[in-house]
Amino acid sequence: QSALTQPRSVSGSPGQSVTISCTGTSSDVGNYKYVSWYQQHPGKAPQLMTFDVSKRPSGVPDRFSASKSGNTASLTISGLQAEDEADYYCCSYAGSYTWVFGGGTKLTVL
Amino acid sequence: QVQLQESGPGLVKPSETLSLTCTVSGYSISSGYYWGWLRQPPGEGLDWIATCSHTGTTYYNPSLRSRATISVDTSKNQFSLKLRSVTAADTAVYYCARGFGDFGTYFDYWGQGTLVPVSS
Repeated sequence: QSALTQPRSVSGSPGQSVTISCTGTSSDVGNYKYVSWYQQHPGKAPQLMTFDVSKRPSGVPDRFSASKSGNTASLTISGLQAEDEADYYCCSYAGSYTWVFGGGTKLTVL
Repeated sequence: QVQLQESGPGLVKPSETLSLTCTVSGYSISSGYYWGWLRQPPGEGLDWIATCSHTGTTYYNPSLRSRATISVDTSKNQFSLKLRSVTAADTAVYYCARGFGDFGTYFDYWGQGTLVPVSS
């Protein structure tokens, strides 16, 4: 069970769109619909942003969208805002009642 | 409003057992959902530790299965984590969270987290 692979950092200017990738294998991301994304601001607990690949919990802006293709999941944030600057983590079910996270991506809003 | 609050020791010595409790308010654990523990070493990413259902079904991270025990106390509306034989590598912020969806896959409510250093 290895961690999912995310870019260490991404950046974008206010109003732009950024996409964060999350690469797994056919044993996790590629085989299940159970992919989620979390946002974490410094010193705070993570917040669920998307689940079941592309669903958004109540209260999460529709600027946040997620998808999956093969073994890679993606989170796209459109209309970047300063408050979006945070760390983002993907998570996938990995079979046998286990879950694996990505290493995290730091989003900088320029 | 569902709220979770972790409690535990401020410091644990190597080889000892780390014990944490999560007190849930605003929701009765016995009513449903799943309840989990996750951790985050300083400056690092998130790791899932374990999840249990309100009926006592448990799931563990394979890398921690031999040392971890998660349990639910519905009478106190709490759930707990015990991690045995700790080392410095277990130093982390520990979070408790409520899980939903199939097998409690997704965590929608989290505690604020508690830093547990492991040091002599």
